This record gives sequence, structure tokens and C-alpha cells, in this order.
Amino acid sequence: KNEVEQSPQNLTAQEGEFITINCSYSVGISALHWLQQHPGGGIVSLFMLSSGKKKHGRLIATINIQEKHSSLHITASHPRDSAVYICAVRPTRVPRISGGSNYKLTFGKGTLLTVNP
Amino acid sequence: SAVISQKPSRDICQRGTSLTIQCQVDSQVTMMFWYRQQPGQSLTLIATANQGSEATYESGFVIDKFPISRPNLTFSTLTVSNMSPEDSSIYLCSVEYGARPYEQYFGPGTRLTVT
Repeated sequence: KNEVEQSPQNLTAQEGEFITINCSYSVGISALHWLQQHPGGGIVSLFMLSSGKKKHGRLIATINIQEKHSSLHITASHPRDSAVYICAVRPTRVPRISGGSNYKLTFGKGTLLTVNP
Repeated sequence: SAVISQKPSRDICQRGTSLTIQCQVDSQVTMMFWYRQQPGQSLTLIATANQGSEATYESGFVIDKFPISRPNLTFSTLTVSNMSPEDSSIYLCSVEYGARPYEQYFGPGTRLTVT
């Protein structure tokens, strides 16, 4: 079982709709990141959360540490919001295997969002 | 915030050759990370590069295949050596920046196709 699960895997919406993408994780974390990846491949960091809620423009991200769950909401969706949205967590304890980094993020598989005009 | 640029943005290479990818950050950062994203997959950490020390490689990645340089606090290179079609991926540079818990910034990626 992946430590970070996202749902849905794919989401198609009509312009103007309210969108929610969910992320559940199974480990203790120090932070959770929401990332946006456009078809060209580049990744933009949308939010970093360790508690509560953040808002930036039409995007809202919430996190419930007790329930190990986060949501990304997009209000008044637009075709330019079409992208892959990735949830990533930074575990509080990363097992040190021989070699390896203590700093690694664990990524969800992403949610492909398509917003049609 | 930290702004990251990568060169090249994409390349098509022949099997058996090597490609060096450059990553430049507009701010001094301690930790730089190299990720690989194979087609249809999520990101996988290749290695962590600290300035002035050897890179730390994740399980399944070795220095001979993916040598990394980190000559200063704003620059790093990743070389993909003796390439095979399985190396066709997007390679992304990333940095931590700011105060704990650190913001994570990513470069635009290098899309590599090996024929």
C-alpha cells in the first residue's frame, strides 16, 4: 500500500465547477505539499501545509493532521487549471537505510484534472 | 521563493551516450535534489546533493550511472551515463528553501528521450 493515496486518479469537470482532490497518508508528517504539473513536465509548488488551511486565489488547501487527510479545492475552475495535481508528504521519521536521504518526500501518484470549456 | 532553471529543457540521445543536465538556482541553498519521473509514474528521488560533500544516492541508483556535481550553493549537475531507452524520463532538480518545514521548489524539468 502506497503511503500517500490520492483520489480521484482522473477528474473531468466543466468550466466553473468546484473541484476537490483528496490526499490520505499513513505516516506521521512534518509537512504536506500540493504540487501542480503541466503537460510540459515542470512542477509548481502550490501549497505547503503543516496544519489548518491556506488560500491562494481560487485554490484552497486544508489538512487534518489527526485524520491524516488533506484536500485541495479549486473554485470556479478554468481550462487553464488542467494539469496533474500531486500530493507529497515529508515524513517525520525516515528510516535510514545504508545510503539514502533523510529528507525525501513521499509522493502520491497524482490526479489528472481536465477542465472543459 | 527560489527560482530554478534547468538546461537542456529536452534532448534526444542515442543509446550508450551520456547527457549532463544543469540546474541553477537564484538563491543559495543547502540541499539540492534530483528526481526522475518515468512515463506515467510519480517522482522518484535519485540523490540528494549537499555542497562540499558526496551526493547521497537512493536505493537503486548508483554514482557510476548518475554522477552528480555540486560545486557551489547555487548550481548542480546530474549526468545520465551510458544511456539506454529505460532512462527516457523527465529529470527534475529541486531545492528546499526558507525556514523549517521547508518549502520545496522544482525546476522546469529536462525531458530525455533515448533511442
